[in-house]
Amino acid sequence: KAGVTQTPRYLIKTRGQQVTLSCSPISGHRSVSWYQQTPGQGLQFLFEYFSETQRNKGNFPGRFSGRQFSNSRSEMNVSTLELGDSALYLCASSFLERETQYFGPGTRLLVL
Amino acid sequence: GENVEQHPSTLSVQEGDSAVIKCTYSDSASNYFPWYKQELGKRPQLIIDIRSNVGEKKDQRIAVTLNKTAKHFSLHITETQPEDSAVYFCAASKGSGGSNYKLTFGKGTLLTVNP
Repeated sequence: KAGVTQTPRYLIKTRGQQVTLSCSPISGHRSVSWYQQTPGQGLQFLFEYFSETQRNKGNFPGRFSGRQFSNSRSEMNVSTLELGDSALYLCASSFLERETQYFGPGTRLLVL
Repeated sequence: GENVEQHPSTLSVQEGDSAVIKCTYSDSASNYFPWYKQELGKRPQLIIDIRSNVGEKKDQRIAVTLNKTAKHFSLHITETQPEDSAVYFCAASKGSGGSNYKLTFGKGTLLTVNP
């Protein structure tokens, strides 16, 4: 099976702009989670989607949002970008809840 | 919410030695504990996981132990090799019934295996 894929792999944006990141899970996986990885904070949970429903959300401001489509592909959006949003954004998919999560390669976002 | 503490933050060993990384968690309802390895510039890769109904699990040179009473779990790597050099993350979750399923990660341990 093909692994989790994410696009784009790299992004450079300026403060105030918005960005949309995409994640395609492993075929058959219905749960997609998003994480932000930074050197200072490590891996932090953003949100998780299952069958197009957001089931859980981390402690991030409302500027961070996401959605999941009927084919389980997911997008996350960050509006009004801040310098501190520069990070590696990882998505992970799993077949069902409590199952192993497999990570994508990440999208590296740089906000200038 | 759940909090996962991981120690040490850096670990340097000689090739062939063993390495041990320890994590503690705060939420006694957590029931799933994976370990991920992340090489520089690459995605986290699951190397082993354990569920709360098991006390120990082994896969070749890697083993994980879980002490539910003390709320801590550990990763043991034996006969370390230079290719084991990476950042290792522990995590915990209490997914059950389709709700509250999220991984809370430790801050990571940079393992360096010196040839």
